[in-house]
Parts: sequence; structure tokens; C-alpha cells
Amino acid sequence: KQEVTQIPAALSVPEGENLVLNCSFTDSAIYNLQWFRQDPGKGLTSLLLIQSSQREQTSGRLNASLDKSSGRSTLYIAASQPGDSATYLCAPKGAGTYKYIFGTGTRLKVLA
Amino acid sequence: EAQVTQNPRYLITVTGKKLTVTCSQNMNHEYMSWYRQDPGLGLRQIYYSMNVEVTDKGDVPEGYKVSRKEKRNFPLILESPSPNQTSLYFCASSLYGTGLYSNQPQHFGDGTRLSIL
Repeated sequence: KQEVTQIPAALSVPEGENLVLNCSFTDSAIYNLQWFRQDPGKGLTSLLLIQSSQREQTSGRLNASLDKSSGRSTLYIAASQPGDSATYLCAPKGAGTYKYIFGTGTRLKVLA
Repeated sequence: EAQVTQNPRYLITVTGKKLTVTCSQNMNHEYMSWYRQDPGLGLRQIYYSMNVEVTDKGDVPEGYKVSRKEKRNFPLILESPSPNQTSLYFCASSLYGTGLYSNQPQHFGDGTRLSIL
């Protein structure tokens, strides 16, 4: 059964730092992996979807990488801003399934 | 505006009193799903639907029912709610794309916070 771990669970950094958030999963038979942000009291907002055939996906200051064989994905945030403060979740989609398994998230706080 | 709408946003009720949480999307998405989010456990999938009249269990379906009679709506039904169903619930939708091999992103509603006493 797929298990997804996100490290660290919480992170507090000063504004302007470059960050790396980690996501690891136990079953490498995935079709894609999606990164989300969740603001307090809100739903999840899709940030990036990276297909299993891709190594990287970029959107603005965000870059997601995927190493399927080692069961790892990272989300890189460049030049962090206070508005980036949120919880970040990763969710791999199992190959041949309609199921999504979520990690428990990394709670990020960017200090002004 | 493209969105997934859940109602109610907040509900406090008592054990055993049937309730329904509605979910509606205006994006003509085939795939819809329900999740619950609990501290330390993350989001767990309850049920999902690939299209009208096609539904299947996720990882934690016990105590829940769903129906998909129309493409835009996917209500979650708790026939006899119990305190262990107190949670934050999310509905999500996406284009079906190629189904099992779909790379369509999921879009989420703002959540429904249920408290069952």
C-alpha cells in the first residue's frame, strides 16, 4: 500500500530564502504526482502536476522534480515571500488506479 | 468562474441524524471525489466517481454513501453519523482525460467542517 511522507513537517524561514520541500513515496508505480498548497480554512490549490515521464515541471518561482525510481519528489520555492506561507501537500496517483494518496504536508511560514 | 462548491461549510449535529453534504462543479468534469482530512492522518479518499452512475470506494468508505445522478453533483451521505466522522471534508473534481492514465489536475472545494456530538 502506498505511503507518502513529507519532511519536514514544519518549516519557518526568513523572507527571500530558497526552499526545498521533500516528498517520498513507497510505491514507485505512479502515473503522476501533484503538488498542492492549502491555506488555513481553505481548500487545496493545485500548484504543479508532474507526469511520471517527466523529470521537472516549473511554474513561476516553483519547480517540482520527480525521481520515480527512488520514490522522491521535491518542490523548490525560489526567493520565498510571506505570501508563500501555507501547508504544502504532495499526492502521487497510482498507475492503473483512480486513487490519490496524500502526504500529511509541510507547514511553511515565511517571516517578513 | 470555474469552481467546486460544497455546502454546508460548517455543520454541528448529533449522532444518528442523517445528513448530506452537497458538492457541485461547473467545469463539466467527469471525475469527482470525496476526501476527509484529519490531523496527523492527512487527506484520505472516501469515494470517487468516474462519471454519472459510476462510483467506487476509496480507502475509508465505511459509514458513507455517495450517488452520482448528474454530472455536476456528487453528494456525500452520512446515514447514521458517529463522532469518529467528525472531520474536515473536501470534494474534488477533474477532467476524466484518459481515465486510468489521466494527467488532469484535481480542483478542490473549500471544505466542510463537520462536528458530530
